[in-house]
Amino acid sequence: EDQVTQSPEALRLQEGESSSLNCSYTVSGLRGLFWYRQDPGKGPEFLFTLYSAGEEKEKERLKATLTKKESFLHITAPKPEDSATYLCAVTTGGYNKLIFGAGTRLAVHP
Amino acid sequence: DGGITQSPKYLFRKEGQNVTLSCEQNLNHDAMYWYRQDPGQGLRLIYYSQIVNDFQKGDIAEGYSVSREKKESFPLTVTSAQKNPTAFYLCASSIAGTNYGYTFGSGTRLTVV
Repeated sequence: EDQVTQSPEALRLQEGESSSLNCSYTVSGLRGLFWYRQDPGKGPEFLFTLYSAGEEKEKERLKATLTKKESFLHITAPKPEDSATYLCAVTTGGYNKLIFGAGTRLAVHP
Repeated sequence: DGGITQSPKYLFRKEGQNVTLSCEQNLNHDAMYWYRQDPGQGLRLIYYSQIVNDFQKGDIAEGYSVSREKKESFPLTVTSAQKNPTAFYLCASSIAGTNYGYTFGSGTRLTVV
């Protein structure tokens, strides 16, 4: 069964304290891996798509990387406005069904 | 600006009542999806549609129904058969085919009273 696991469930950082969020997956033929940001009471907002092992994408303080078994979302010198839930999802083809992990709740304190 | 509009933002349902959640998009996307989000769980797929007048059940379709009469619209009805409907419901759309991410609406929070 295709599965996506995110860790940790929750992460508390001080402003400026860099860290990484993990997304591990077991799927039969990865077609794409997606990272989303979700603020409380809102819909997820697209961040990155990664397609093949070794690929990296960057946006401001965020950098996503992909290996054959997992993806990391690196947060460099985070600010309080980076506080949100970060969701990871994969697609294995077919009709473009996304399989989501449970998310990591990130809190950045000043 | 193009996007997805979900309404209402908050919805309250009495026991035994059917309620319908609205989802409209102006992105010209062929595919649309309904997900349910519960605390501590990943988003779970309820129904999806790749073209007008066609839709398929997702992983948790029991107690829900949908229609796709127009490309822009994909309403979800939560029926009285859904025993635990309290959740955050998210509608999304994408270009049909594989490897494309979704654009999400802002969600509807449904509460049983």
